[in-house]
Amino acid sequence: DQQVKQNSPSLSVQEGRISILNCDYTNSMFDYFLWYKKYPAEGPTFLISISSIKDKNEDGRFTVFLNKSAKHLSLHIVPSQPGDSAVYFCAAIAGYGGATNKLIFGTGTLLAVQP
Amino acid sequence: ETGVTQSPTHLIKTRGQQVTLRCSSQSGHNTVSWYQQALGQGPQFIFQYYREEENGRGNFPPRFSGLQFPNYSSELNVNALELDDSALYLCASSWGTSEQFFGPGTRLTVL
Repeated sequence: DQQVKQNSPSLSVQEGRISILNCDYTNSMFDYFLWYKKYPAEGPTFLISISSIKDKNEDGRFTVFLNKSAKHLSLHIVPSQPGDSAVYFCAAIAGYGGATNKLIFGTGTLLAVQP
Repeated sequence: ETGVTQSPTHLIKTRGQQVTLRCSSQSGHNTVSWYQQALGQGPQFIFQYYREEENGRGNFPPRFSGLQFPNYSSELNVNALELDDSALYLCASSWGTSEQFFGPGTRLTVL
């Protein structure tokens, strides 16, 4: 039962253009969402997060949008750079700030930014 | 500030064997979580240790066990290895339930 889904295994974008990565979830108990970036031979690194009480969070070139009614979130990267090429994971937490910060991950999207 | 480290980097075992993976948490962190990432999948939560006690467990059989030591480092033990246990094992540390920082992982291959 995949509670967090990333339906696009890969995405290719030209340098300077916008990258949009999508994520859907099924568990309505999720109240905090995160995006991680992973390079080969490295662990995932935190990129940006959003609480379920918000619908948008921005950090530099990265913006995450949350649509609770659709159980959908997206990560926008503008402008995309070749160094952004990596696997991006969407993750969710149920009961954020509670007894555990257990992450439920999606399957990841491989982003390739072409120079 | 030292980040999360894991050892070994790679490991090859045969079916039925036992394996121990190690994780040193980031300085100041008291919580360690373990995740299994199979090929083409996202990381799956195995369990979490907080101040040497198990604090939550995912859908993994009892042959997956762990320990956390007084210095907050941790071990993941897997008994009776199966072919499907082949995966990247990730350790993440945090201060309580705050942001998790991941190590580079241990690649386990079971033949």
